[in-house]
Amino acid sequence: AQKITQTQPGMFVQEKEAVTLDCTYDTSDPSYGLFWYKQPSSGEMIFLIYQGSYDQQNATEGRYSLNFQKARKSANLVISASQLGDSAMYFCAMREGGGSRLTFGEGTQLTVNP
Amino acid sequence: ETGVTQSPTHLIKTRGQQVTLRCSSQSGHNTVSWYQQALGQGPQFIFQYYREEENGRGNFPPRFSGLQFPNYSSELNVNALELDDSALYLCASSPGTIRTEAFFGQGTRLTVV
Repeated sequence: AQKITQTQPGMFVQEKEAVTLDCTYDTSDPSYGLFWYKQPSSGEMIFLIYQGSYDQQNATEGRYSLNFQKARKSANLVISASQLGDSAMYFCAMREGGGSRLTFGEGTQLTVNP
Repeated sequence: ETGVTQSPTHLIKTRGQQVTLRCSSQSGHNTVSWYQQALGQGPQFIFQYYREEENGRGNFPPRFSGLQFPNYSSELNVNALELDDSALYLCASSPGTIRTEAFFGQGTRLTVV
């Protein structure tokens, strides 16, 4: 079974609007971390936001927030007030237990239209 | 910028050859991981080094090997290159095995012809 599933290969959003990128995960480890990374065409993976499995509050970082629904095993990324520079590939990833190995999903290509 | 640098940025090799990719981790980071990202896919974990010892390996054959040096920089070596080895190779560093986010370099794009 896929550990990380991103069901949206591509998403389009108008500039200044909000967009939600979906991510579901599968693990039996009670301790895990969920990450979102942005990958522009240059290739570098840019860390956006982190949610720990024991965190009580949903993570927020500026325009990024993570809608963490533990019972549904989902960790959707919400980008508010989209900007043209947000156009990129977005990856959801998981780290299980105490290790630092990341398991990535297949990614979602976000296009922000003017 | 993350402070993680990879070299070279692009490389073209012939099938059967050997290649070495290099990564300088961010200052103070003793853990380096390598990932392979084929076109249109998410990165796949190759292996991780922690204080010069391999500390976890993904589903990659032994012709993928690595080293970590006392200054925590790292090399990824691939022998007997195959066409399917064409990919973006990403290096990530973190302060330790229980740290949260990993910081990635810009990657090395390897093309095998």
